[in-house]
Amino acid sequence: DAKTTQPTSMDCAEGRAANLPCNHSTISGNEYVYWYRQIHSQGPQYIIHGLKNNETNEMASLIITEDRKSSTLILPHATLRDTAVYYCIVRVARETSGSRLTFGEGTQLTVNP
Amino acid sequence: KAGVTQTPRYLIKTRGQQVTLSCSPISGHRSVSWYQQTPGQGLQFLFEYFSETQRNKGNFPGRFSGRQFSNSRSEMNVSTLELGDSALYLCASRLTLVTDTQYFGPGTRLTVL
Repeated sequence: DAKTTQPTSMDCAEGRAANLPCNHSTISGNEYVYWYRQIHSQGPQYIIHGLKNNETNEMASLIITEDRKSSTLILPHATLRDTAVYYCIVRVARETSGSRLTFGEGTQLTVNP
Repeated sequence: KAGVTQTPRYLIKTRGQQVTLSCSPISGHRSVSWYQQTPGQGLQFLFEYFSETQRNKGNFPGRFSGRQFSNSRSEMNVSTLELGDSALYLCASRLTLVTDTQYFGPGTRLTVL
């Protein structure tokens, strides 16, 4: 699985958009970009994933650059409950890849009132 | 649809004892994976079970074992507990071996004294 680089921490004002970047310059063509988040001492929560097109769901939007070397997770209207560690993970979706998710350090997002 | 459930949520044991943790996946999900999370090592993959067979294994000693039942419920066992086994143990389920989106439970907080 490709390595990812994320900022250690970010701050965001409540009600504003939170834009979390992720660099994955060694991504290969069949690797997906996944985002999870973990609120303190809880299990990680799946947010969104994508291959090359931008994706949106009820939680967030995922913008992947055309060369796929980086992506941005956007929380359109951040709330205090969005304070968490956000993990960007890149992996291939095939039967032989197994379920192992490699979590890096992630980005600690703090939403301030 | 109910999420992944784990029991117990909290557990205190002493060194040398053994412990069994339980995980019930989302209904219909056939793959169950286990992770250990500690402040020093982060989230680390333990193993994955699918159709009652261990499919993948992380780099943990043989004291860590697991099994899966025909209803996809899984148990994880740690024998001869050590202080360093104190951690949050997380279970995640996914629909099939090819489906990559995993859904995590709330975790079991194990404290070894």
